[in-house]
Amino acid sequence: DTGVSQNPRHKITKRGQNVTFRCDPISEHNRLYWYRQTLGQGPEFLTYFQNEAQLEKSRLLSDRFSAERPKGSFSTLEIQRTEQGDSAMYLCASSPRDGSSYEQYFGPGTRLTVT
Amino acid sequence: EDKVVQSPLSLVVHEGDTVTLNCSYEVTNFRSLLWYKQEKKAPTFLFMLTSSGIEKKSGRLSSILDKKELSSILNITATQTGDSAIYLCATQGGSEKLVFGKGTKLTVNP
Repeated sequence: DTGVSQNPRHKITKRGQNVTFRCDPISEHNRLYWYRQTLGQGPEFLTYFQNEAQLEKSRLLSDRFSAERPKGSFSTLEIQRTEQGDSAMYLCASSPRDGSSYEQYFGPGTRLTVT
Repeated sequence: EDKVVQSPLSLVVHEGDTVTLNCSYEVTNFRSLLWYKQEKKAPTFLFMLTSSGIEKKSGRLSSILDKKELSSILNITATQTGDSAIYLCATQGGSEKLVFGKGTKLTVNP
């Protein structure tokens, strides 16, 4: 399967714990994005990488959130001291290098439940 | 701040009906508008539109962009139960992020 993959698919954690999610983009896609989606809403942008550089972060990304893409391939999103309001689907997407506008392909998401 | 509004939010039809979903936007430095289909998992890409008036078509689905009216429509003809999903509209402006609407939930009854 050459699509975007994400792990884990589901995560249940207790409030205050740290969690880390992983995203593997489509190979040769140099752009990688993280979004968050809650029930009844469209995905909301969190952050964007071009290769290993984090070029844009949303105001939604509080200091408890950090994302990395150390070698320009896979990416991790860490949430520290989780809160119940962090419960959501975390989606990763990637897009190819060429062109000035290009579609983003989404992975299956990681559903986080904070109890 | 960029904004995308979809209508209706919910729609129930019978198999065989034709539906039109609407998307309007306010975007700085508009580059593209995208349609996605979301079932119980991640959004699946349908269309990307950049030029006004040019229809994109895939099977029973088609979409067109009107830059003058800042809007797009997604048409589905001869609907099937497998078309039941949330249809998301998103725009890309001056930055790399996509800004999504809340989606239209389509239910196709047999």
